[in-house]
Amino acid sequence: AQKITQTQPGMFVQEKEAVTLDCTYDTSDPSYGLFWYKQPSSGEMIFLIYQGSYDQQNATEGRYSLNFQKARKSANLVISASQLGDSAMYFCAMRELMYSGGGADGLTFGKGTHLIIQP
Amino acid sequence: SQTIHQWPATLVQPVGSPLSLECTVEGTSNPNLYWYRQAAGRGLQLLFYSVGIGQISSEVPQNLSASRPQDRQFILSSKKLLLSDSGFYLCAWIGGGTEAFFGQGTRLTVV
Repeated sequence: AQKITQTQPGMFVQEKEAVTLDCTYDTSDPSYGLFWYKQPSSGEMIFLIYQGSYDQQNATEGRYSLNFQKARKSANLVISASQLGDSAMYFCAMRELMYSGGGADGLTFGKGTHLIIQP
Repeated sequence: SQTIHQWPATLVQPVGSPLSLECTVEGTSNPNLYWYRQAAGRGLQLLFYSVGIGQISSEVPQNLSASRPQDRQFILSSKKLLLSDSGFYLCAWIGGGTEAFFGQGTRLTVV
């Protein structure tokens, strides 16, 4: 079974609108972290936001916020007031910490969402 | 601060030729290092990871191999490239908590 599921292969959004990118995850590990990365056409992976499984509040970083619903195993990324420069691939990733040797086996990624912001 | 250097940025290699991609890390010691591959329009697939010198774990049987000759150096190799080895290769250093840094990537095209 897939550990990270991103159900939106592509999205078109009007500039200045808010965007929600979906991510659901599957784990039995009680301790884990959830990441969102932006990958522009250049290929670099740009870290956006992180949510720990024990964090009580939803993470926020500038225009990015993470809607963390633990019971539903959902970690959607919300981008407020989208900009043309937000056009990119977005990846959700998870790191399992307790059952995987402290996370030594790295991050598991979803297949990504290609976001296109239209003027 | 931690930085990752990865080279080359792009590479076009004929089928059957060898491969060597290098990744070095600065600003940390004894890092956990990772090689990921991204096929066109796909997510990242973990290929290898290393928790120390000479320690390599393989996630997927491949035509590829990895080595960790020095603490901050991680190398991805192949003796004979296949067409299916084409893709975007990323080296990563993943520490504790939110620490996860990626190199700039290598776009490999096997022709």
